[in-house]
Amino acid sequence: SQQGEEDPQALSIQEGENATMNCSYKTSINNLQWYRQNSGRGLVHLILIRSNEREKHSGRLRVTLDTSKKSSSLLITASRAADTASYFCATDGSGNTPLVFGKGTRLSVIA
Amino acid sequence: DTAVSQTPKYLVTQMGNDKSIKCEQNLGHDTMYWYKQDSKKFLKIMFSYNNKELIINETVPNRFSPKSPDKAHLNLHINSLELGDSAVYFCASSLPGGSTQYFGPGTRLTVL
Repeated sequence: SQQGEEDPQALSIQEGENATMNCSYKTSINNLQWYRQNSGRGLVHLILIRSNEREKHSGRLRVTLDTSKKSSSLLITASRAADTASYFCATDGSGNTPLVFGKGTRLSVIA
Repeated sequence: DTAVSQTPKYLVTQMGNDKSIKCEQNLGHDTMYWYKQDSKKFLKIMFSYNNKELIINETVPNRFSPKSPDKAHLNLHINSLELGDSAVYFCASSLPGGSTQYFGPGTRLTVL
């Protein structure tokens, strides 16, 4: 399957530090997305990067995609306590194949 | 102005019962989904509907039956509930073609 795998499973940092999460997947993709899930809530879309893109920015978020290594990274700069959440990558294949989510990285930002 | 809503938010029931979870989206999307998130936070697609037609049906027991009365609604009915059905169930919607998905707040189902 083309399931994404996030790494690390859990990450704890101080407020103001940068947080980097990685995602690896197994097969060709059309795009890769990152989602955030706060405790007890639904997932919220953060950013989508297409297979022909290498880097994308959105506010304090920076996503890279390396299709040759089948990997992506999500960087959150100048982290805040409110960034505490689980972060999931999701890969999209072709046609009607569903998004496949990884197991997530649990980020804790300590004030 | 909730985009994707689910009811109920919490559902506690006995084994063997039948229950339904409702989902509605007001985003005008054609595609809706049901996901199951287990205790380890693993999120797995169950069903996907496009314009009221089932397009994805992953390996899910036939005790689970989705119903889409119109493209803004996708309900999930579960028969003969089992302990292993305990999880958080999320509804989501999107435009067709694997684009951004918008998730509901989830329904936490506990089977006793």
